[in-house]
Amino acid sequence: DAEITQSPRHKITETGRQVTLACHQTWNHNNMFWYRQDLGHGLRLIHYSYGVQDTNKGEVSDGYSVSRSNTEDLPLTLESAASSQTSVYFCASSQATGGLEQFFGPGTRLTVL
Amino acid sequence: GESVGLHLPTLSVQEGDNSIINCAYSNSASDYFIWYKQESGKGPQFIIDIRSNMDKRQGQRVTVLLNKTVKHLSLQIAATQPGDSAVYFCAENEDNDMRFGAGTRLTVKP
Repeated sequence: DAEITQSPRHKITETGRQVTLACHQTWNHNNMFWYRQDLGHGLRLIHYSYGVQDTNKGEVSDGYSVSRSNTEDLPLTLESAASSQTSVYFCASSQATGGLEQFFGPGTRLTVL
Repeated sequence: GESVGLHLPTLSVQEGDNSIINCAYSNSASDYFIWYKQESGKGPQFIIDIRSNMDKRQGQRVTVLLNKTVKHLSLQIAATQPGDSAVYFCAENEDNDMRFGAGTRLTVKP
């Protein structure tokens, strides 16, 4: 069955370190998204991609970067982790533009000490 | 309803009762809406969607109602079961910009 996976599921790192969170989907979806989820807030968009070599900044992109070298993967990199980036991160994918249903991964809980 | 803050709104219902979860959205130009369910430790899961040219859509045990006049969306769950306990949140979309509410925590008492 097609799916979307994230790794690692849990990560503890130190301030200033570079961290990369992986996202892999097997639906062959063009669109992929990264969100962060913090207590009391809705999902907030970090970066998104509408296809290979396409990346765009979302609402809270500062301190994060993504790359899209193939359809299946959209890794999220924290260039220099900060305590404010402690959060749960969700990757999602969707088939096309136009606001169609997004399928979410299981999430990565990141703690920055 | 949903609000941004440190604590999620909560709804507690008895097993077998119907549940109604509300969402006030902000953008009158939003043309597509989704309800998601999120269980503890898991990613959001699609429940049902509705486009702005509709005011009601039914799924299996769930119904979504859209009132564009007052920018209000509701999710009705019939015969609520313990497995329905989760956080439910709505999302609104306008021109590929999807915005998510903070959610409502539904607790089902046996």
